Amino acid sequence: DGGITQSPKYLFRKEGQNVTLSCEQNLNHDAMYWYRQDPGQGLRLIYYSQIVNDFQKGDIAEGYSVSREKKESFPLTVTSAQKNPTAFYLCASSMTTQNIQYFGAGTRLSVL
Amino acid sequence: DAKTTQPNSMESNEEEPVHLPCNHSTISGTDYIHWYRQLPSQGPEYVIHGLTSNVNNRMASLAIAEDRKSSTLILHRATLRDAAVYYCILLVNTGNQFYFGTGTSLTVIP
Repeated sequence: DGGITQSPKYLFRKEGQNVTLSCEQNLNHDAMYWYRQDPGQGLRLIYYSQIVNDFQKGDIAEGYSVSREKKESFPLTVTSAQKNPTAFYLCASSMTTQNIQYFGAGTRLSVL
Repeated sequence: DAKTTQPNSMESNEEEPVHLPCNHSTISGTDYIHWYRQLPSQGPEYVIHGLTSNVNNRMASLAIAEDRKSSTLILHRATLRDAAVYYCILLVNTGNQFYFGTGTSLTVIP
């Protein structure tokens, strides 16, 4: 089935640790996105990528890093510099940045 | 930023129509209006989008005001599975981002 796969579903981070969230899509989409959602809030854009080997900061990029080495993959690293990482993280993709976005099921990150 | 304004919450009885309003007074002529919905602990799901004319699909209808400063998502017969947070979003033609607000939490009463 075509779609977006995020893993893991739940992730725990120890203080001072970097963790990486996986996002894979088989929709042949050029654009991919990472959003953060806090309880009772809307989505905030962390990073987006319009094409392989290119990505742009969103509104809340500090403490996060990404890579886009392959069209189908857009992993997000939550670094130790992100002091409040507990949130629901959503990955999305679209044909281009002007098209409908399709979302994964999300990864819930908690701090131990 | 392209901004939208929605009521925080709404209620509807099951099998009745629901009209979810959205104000977007800063919209420009080439900005598309998108609606997504999010069930608890899931990613958002596309519902419908439009530019100027009213739009219909199997999920809902989108009514866009003549001046485009507001729009209404219409669910023709609400079911319990329609209980979700509904986001009205502007896709700015000159930008590369969707801006999600806090949305409208829809409760469907059996």
